[in-house]
Amino acid sequence: EIVLTQSPATLSLSPGERATLSCRASQSISYYLAWYQQKPGQAPRLVIYDASNRATGIPARFSGSGSGTDFTLTISSLEPEDFAVYYCQQRNNWPRTFGQGTKVEI
Amino acid sequence: EVQLVESGGGLVQPGGSLRLSCAASGFTLSNYWMQWVRQAPRKGLVWVSHINNDGSNTLYADSVKGRFTISRDNAKNTLYLEMNSLRAEDTAVYYCVRDIQGWLDPWGQGTLVTVSS
Repeated sequence: EIVLTQSPATLSLSPGERATLSCRASQSISYYLAWYQQKPGQAPRLVIYDASNRATGIPARFSGSGSGTDFTLTISSLEPEDFAVYYCQQRNNWPRTFGQGTKVEI
Repeated sequence: EVQLVESGGGLVQPGGSLRLSCAASGFTLSNYWMQWVRQAPRKGLVWVSHINNDGSNTLYADSVKGRFTISRDNAKNTLYLEMNSLRAEDTAVYYCVRDIQGWLDPWGQGTLVTVSS
């Protein structure tokens, strides 16, 4: 099973600041990584797929990068609605696995 | 609008059974793989089960193998998760999710399953 490790666990930032979230895989997963956003009381929403592609309706301030074992989600300038928990997920192998999440808080 | 609506959650005693349903609308269910993902209270996301387009191939997390059964009725645009021998650790919100080449989009609103005496 591929283990995804996200860091940091919590990121305390202010609106307008840049957020950089990391996801590291226990073995190479090529570019087969996605990022999801989950707000309190809501279902997760796909943000980035295939490491760097924005999902439909996702603003351009969200960007993803990386391949192999190291991946990054960057939010260039935080908006109030971006404060949430972000999970990474791999589709390279079964079982599909998720990281433990990074909470972006004010 | 693409939508997934889960139902069937509730309170059940340890060892009991529950059947979750997921009604799909806005797309042709038979064109997609589908997944169930769960989230225990204040915890992260955990993949539970997968089913291919016609139901001929299914996969399960080790934690539920032999106890849970995923199925689908494409004619009714509905996905199911039959859960037996439930344990306290199965307590979670269960999400029905469409699989698009391995990516999960969209997610249903979830249904809460609570296993407790």
